[in-house]
Amino acid sequence: RKEVEQDPGPFNVPEGATVAFNCTYSNSASQSFFWYRQDCRKEPKLLMSVYSSGNEDGRFTAQLNRASQYISLLIRDSKLSDSATYLCVVNKGGSARQLTFGSGTQLTVLP
Amino acid sequence: EPEVTQTPSHQVTQMGQEVILRCVPISNHLYFYWYRQILGQKVEFLVSFYNNEISEKSEIFDDQFSVERPDGSNFTLKIRSTKLEDSAMYFCASSPRGGAFFGQGTRLTVV
Repeated sequence: RKEVEQDPGPFNVPEGATVAFNCTYSNSASQSFFWYRQDCRKEPKLLMSVYSSGNEDGRFTAQLNRASQYISLLIRDSKLSDSATYLCVVNKGGSARQLTFGSGTQLTVLP
Repeated sequence: EPEVTQTPSHQVTQMGQEVILRCVPISNHLYFYWYRQILGQKVEFLVSFYNNEISEKSEIFDDQFSVERPDGSNFTLKIRSTKLEDSAMYFCASSPRGGAFFGQGTRLTVV
């Protein structure tokens, strides 16, 4: 089983649509969870941390289910500028700082 | 907004040559990292650095690689004898705690 697994997509959605990405991770000892976005040939940019209680930042909502080892990201009212690859990222385990990246889910928002 | 800066943006080197990639992390961050991304593949962890020493490293980070923090601001990655398969985008990152912030990367091409 891959350490961090994501549906590669691509997801092609119209502007204004709601889109959800899912991710599973294999290491039950992982303690830190993040969503990053990466534009083509650019660096990953931290989008948001993910907490067990769920958290929201504007149009973005992240959820974590530790029992199922499952993380989600919901984007509401999608914009053209949301087009990117979304990376699910998990720490190696325990207090480890090492981050393990998923392969990413590609999103294209269409006008 | 403070950011991680990397130089050079692109480095071409001959196989067997030594290269040094340079990074200036965000000034009040305590943890520093190097990651790499081979074209079309996922981001991979190389090494983390804290309190002037390596705290974690991956299997990729073998004897050919070394890191240094020669002064209070710079953080460098050295590859002693480059191989063709070292061609990749190398990202430096830093973090206070939690998620890491990435520099724009150095594209290393080994010919």
